[in-house]
Amino acid sequence: DVKVTQSSRYLVKRTGEKVFLECVQDMDHENMFWYRQDPGLGLRLIYFSYDVKMKEKGDIPEGYSVSREKKERFSLILESASTNQTSMYLCAITGISGNTIYFGEGSWLTVV
Amino acid sequence: GENVEQHPSTLSVQEGDSAVIKCTYSDSASNYFPWYKQELGKGPQLIIDIRSNVGEKKDQRIAVTLNKTAKHFSLHITETQPEDSAVYFCAARSGGYQKVTFGTGTKLQVIP
Repeated sequence: DVKVTQSSRYLVKRTGEKVFLECVQDMDHENMFWYRQDPGLGLRLIYFSYDVKMKEKGDIPEGYSVSREKKERFSLILESASTNQTSMYLCAITGISGNTIYFGEGSWLTVV
Repeated sequence: GENVEQHPSTLSVQEGDSAVIKCTYSDSASNYFPWYKQELGKGPQLIIDIRSNVGEKKDQRIAVTLNKTAKHFSLHITETQPEDSAVYFCAARSGGYQKVTFGTGTKLQVIP
């Protein structure tokens, strides 16, 4: 069974705080992604990584950065959280074929 | 880039009835169309997918159809059950693994 673990399920942070969202996978998959899910907007890609230390911008990278120091771990960083970043964040992985995307359970972030 | 539209945004059906969710896409180069189901509090899970060289695919009570000429694809759920209640997302992939664009989601409610 594929395991994509997002350790923080529910977070409340203050405006201006630095926020780290962690994602760990146990499938040795190359590709890892961070999506943001908002009602009426679906899932939007923030950043993705196809290898250690490699990263590519998705559709909405502004206000976010990422880090991938180890193959199994992909972190999303909000340098200075703002209220418009209140959302559900989903980590995902795919294998080499890139077909099936496996998602984590999601991290609900509220910025006050 | 790719644009995926999904309708309806909410759908209520009586248990045992059929449900149909429709999506359109804009990029004629898109060649892979997955459908995801998201239950409350969980990440989306792949339920069925179809490639551009196939017109229809079935898996028990779920079927997906693809019309490449019209650039639309649909999810059909027959004999709906309460456990089918969830949010469903369509998606289209064009080019590489990272270029997956999701629809805005359909909240399906199956009334017992």
